[in-house]
Amino acid sequence: AQSVTQLDSHVSVSEGTPVLLRCNYSSSYSPSLFWYVQHPNKGLQLLLKYTSAATLVKGINGFEAEFKKSETSFHLTKPSAHMSDAAEYFCVVSVYNSGYALNFGKGTSLLVTP
Amino acid sequence: GAGVSQSPSNKVTEKGKDVELRCDPISGHTALYWYRQSLGQGLEFLIYFQGNSAPDKSGLPSDRFSAERTGGSVSTLTIQRTQQEDSAVYLCASSLATSGTDTQYFGPGTRLTVL
Repeated sequence: AQSVTQLDSHVSVSEGTPVLLRCNYSSSYSPSLFWYVQHPNKGLQLLLKYTSAATLVKGINGFEAEFKKSETSFHLTKPSAHMSDAAEYFCVVSVYNSGYALNFGKGTSLLVTP
Repeated sequence: GAGVSQSPSNKVTEKGKDVELRCDPISGHTALYWYRQSLGQGLEFLIYFQGNSAPDKSGLPSDRFSAERTGGSVSTLTIQRTQQEDSAVYLCASSLATSGTDTQYFGPGTRLTVL
């Protein structure tokens, strides 16, 4: 079965400092991995996706993630946090035998302090 | 262009009543997915459609839940005899095709509260 584990339920950073949100995946074959963001009372928005092309994936708003097969990780990073980055972030894997439905991690709440 | 829309945005109902939730996918998207987001269970997959067909209904929480899609477009999720544990935000997503690489675009959700 394909699944993801988000290692931190809450992360707090100061504005202007780097962001690291950690995600490990479990998959019996090469997975498709995504990061989605959900701002308060807003819908889910795709940040970036990995689909077995380049291992370093660049997304919107300066976010990027690196697929590391040896570590089964897909961590999300941003060099400099902005106040508007405060939101819930979900690491996601698509599930082959359910029409590629998305299997979401439990989410990481990012707090950005001034 | 227009994104995925869902209606109603909020629904408050009494325990035991039936509710219908509607999803309008992005035009031309053949794949449609329903998810549920609740505090206790996080985001969980319910059912997907390829065209009008739902090949796998095993994600539906109980036989009180059903879904259909007509004309390869609009989908409705019906919950019969609602229970308090059905309270959640129901999300719909659509993608161009059923594949691991296609992006799923989410609607704003329907917040269901069962009193």
